[in-house]
Amino acid sequence: QLQVQESGPGLVKPSETLSLTCTVSGVSVSSTSHYWGWIRQPPGQGPEWIAKIQYSGNTYYNPSLKSRVTISVDASTNQFSLKLSSVTAADTAVYYCARQVYDGLLATYYFDYWGQGTLVTVSS
Amino acid sequence: DIQMTQSPSSLSASVGDRVTITCRASQAISNYLVWFQQKPGKAPKSLIYAAFNLQSGVPSRFRGSGSGTDFTLTISSVQPEDFATYYCHQYNSYPYTFGQGTKLEIK
Repeated sequence: QLQVQESGPGLVKPSETLSLTCTVSGVSVSSTSHYWGWIRQPPGQGPEWIAKIQYSGNTYYNPSLKSRVTISVDASTNQFSLKLSSVTAADTAVYYCARQVYDGLLATYYFDYWGQGTLVTVSS
Repeated sequence: DIQMTQSPSSLSASVGDRVTITCRASQAISNYLVWFQQKPGKAPKSLIYAAFNLQSGVPSRFRGSGSGTDFTLTISSVQPEDFATYYCHQYNSYPYTFGQGTKLEIK
């Protein structure tokens, strides 16, 4: 059974780098049938897509965050990771990792499975 | 960016009621739409993909419809476990975007 679980510090200081890891079980992150992505949700707001990656190396970023975001995948640990640099209070949010699966009907990928999320607070 | 506008932002219903949530895209997105359910402290759960396809394991009381810019999620007979917040999400183009959510509460 697929499980994805976010982990990382719950508190990050302004101007520092937020680092999160998503541990995947039940499927290999090296599968080319999937993408792996990050989404965040600030308190009281709707979700915001951050980035996604496929093991083959294909990556896509939200242009609003691209200059500060690094996403990577590690098949040896079956994990993928997010780094967000130069954080401010506006980056305080629940961060979710999620899987994208291929939709043969529309010939594209969509998010079908999410983790529970982890709250990251940016504060000194 | 494509803006996704949901309405209403909240609604109250009783068990057994039929409820409908709408989602409007600021430009056409064909059928590239997901509906998902979110409960406090739980992982968001995908319900519908490609606008009207039921995700495996999701009860048939959930139905998605629409294409282009206007979409609806209908719950034919609300059950106690359905009280949650519902979001639409477009994956037609980058950046992916989401609606602001519709909170379904018990009347």
